[in-house]
Amino acid sequence: GAGVSQTPSNKVTEKGKYVELRCDPISGHTALYWYRQSLGQGPEFLIYFQGTGAADDSGLPNDRFFAVRPEGSVSTLKIQRTERGDSAVYLCASSLNGGRETQYFGPGTRLLVL
Amino acid sequence: AQKVTQAQTEISVVEKEDVTLDCVYETRDTTYYLFWYKQPPSGELVFLIRRNSFDEQNEISGRYSWNFQKSTSSFNFTITASQVVDSAVYFCALSGNNQGGKLIFGQGTELSVKP
Repeated sequence: GAGVSQTPSNKVTEKGKYVELRCDPISGHTALYWYRQSLGQGPEFLIYFQGTGAADDSGLPNDRFFAVRPEGSVSTLKIQRTERGDSAVYLCASSLNGGRETQYFGPGTRLLVL
Repeated sequence: AQKVTQAQTEISVVEKEDVTLDCVYETRDTTYYLFWYKQPPSGELVFLIRRNSFDEQNEISGRYSWNFQKSTSSFNFTITASQVVDSAVYFCALSGNNQGGKLIFGQGTELSVKP
């Protein structure tokens, strides 16, 4: 079956612009996670959805970052007024029911803010 | 606080050598899960193993084996008879009791296997 997919694979934008990153989880997975990975670092948690609701958004760095999952499937991570420090790979993962089940990751979106 | 430490930043071995990647974790939770993921140059994280804190049995899967030692808070990963295709960054991760499943990752160990 299809794995987690993310679009775009690469995004280049200018400082101050708005970007949207999309994640399509594995079909039937109720839990969806966003992580951010800077060069040479491990992924860092941003937000976790159980169904349509954000169950834990403690990792979002500030109010420029927002994510939605309106129908409990596809999720969009939105970044307003991008800054150069936002440049990173944004990873999405899904698991069947959340909790401490195995998370399966997508290929990531590489965001570069000029 | 939850923390995962992978002290080895880079390891280089010659093909067919055995190699062990270290992982040390910190948590106050009594129930937790530990994971290993592989990140090849393509960038996608590939799941390798999930282990719960109540199961201290070592696990072997082909050339891969894992040694979980609760007494030293370590969950080390050994690759036997390494191959060039094992070259990747390997991450150890922790999921605690009340976090909804979010993973705390270590910094990763970059393994280079040379022919």
